[in-house]
Amino acid sequence: EADIYQTPRYLVIGTGKKITLECSQTMGHDKMYWYQQDPGMELHLIHYSYGVNSTEKGDLSSESTVSRIRTEHFPLTLESARPSHTSQYLCASSGQGGEQFFGPGTRLTVL
Amino acid sequence: GENVEQHPSTLSVQEGDSAVIKCTYSDSASNYFPWYKQELGKRPQLIIDIRSNVGEKKDQRIAVTLNKTAKHFSLHITETQPEDSAVYFCAALYNQGGKLIFGQGTELSVKP
Repeated sequence: EADIYQTPRYLVIGTGKKITLECSQTMGHDKMYWYQQDPGMELHLIHYSYGVNSTEKGDLSSESTVSRIRTEHFPLTLESARPSHTSQYLCASSGQGGEQFFGPGTRLTVL
Repeated sequence: GENVEQHPSTLSVQEGDSAVIKCTYSDSASNYFPWYKQELGKRPQLIIDIRSNVGEKKDQRIAVTLNKTAKHFSLHITETQPEDSAVYFCAALYNQGGKLIFGQGTELSVKP
């Protein structure tokens, strides 16, 4: 079944650690996105990609980086986690028509 | 610049009543307007969308209207049920960048 997968679903980590949040999609979509969202609050776009080797920064300033080496894979890396990074991270993808679908999210807690 | 304003931020209705959420957008070139429902602890789910070549679209109890001249669109939920309680987000496709610009969200509470 076509879907968007994120791992891990929950992560508790100490300050200063490097972490990578994984996102894969079997939707056949070219465009992928990363959002940061506190529970029930606004969706903040932090990175997006329109295809392989294409990445752009979003509206929210973030100390994170992304890569897009394969169409279906769009990992997000935090080089040095801080308590202010505690949040939910949502991956999404969209097709040519603009319809965007979200993954289940990763809940990150930085102690 | 690209911007979507959503109102109200919270909405409380009695079961069976109607609920209306409104959004305005700034980019006159936007041509795609989806609505998402996010239940507590879940991912946002696309519930209905509309493109700029139509003024209204309906799917059972939910409908969306679009006024391109005024640059606003609205979500209408009729005969609300407790399971409609969630946070709803509107969005507009920003044509230049091909990315969705989201509204701030509306927390809908349907009281039995």
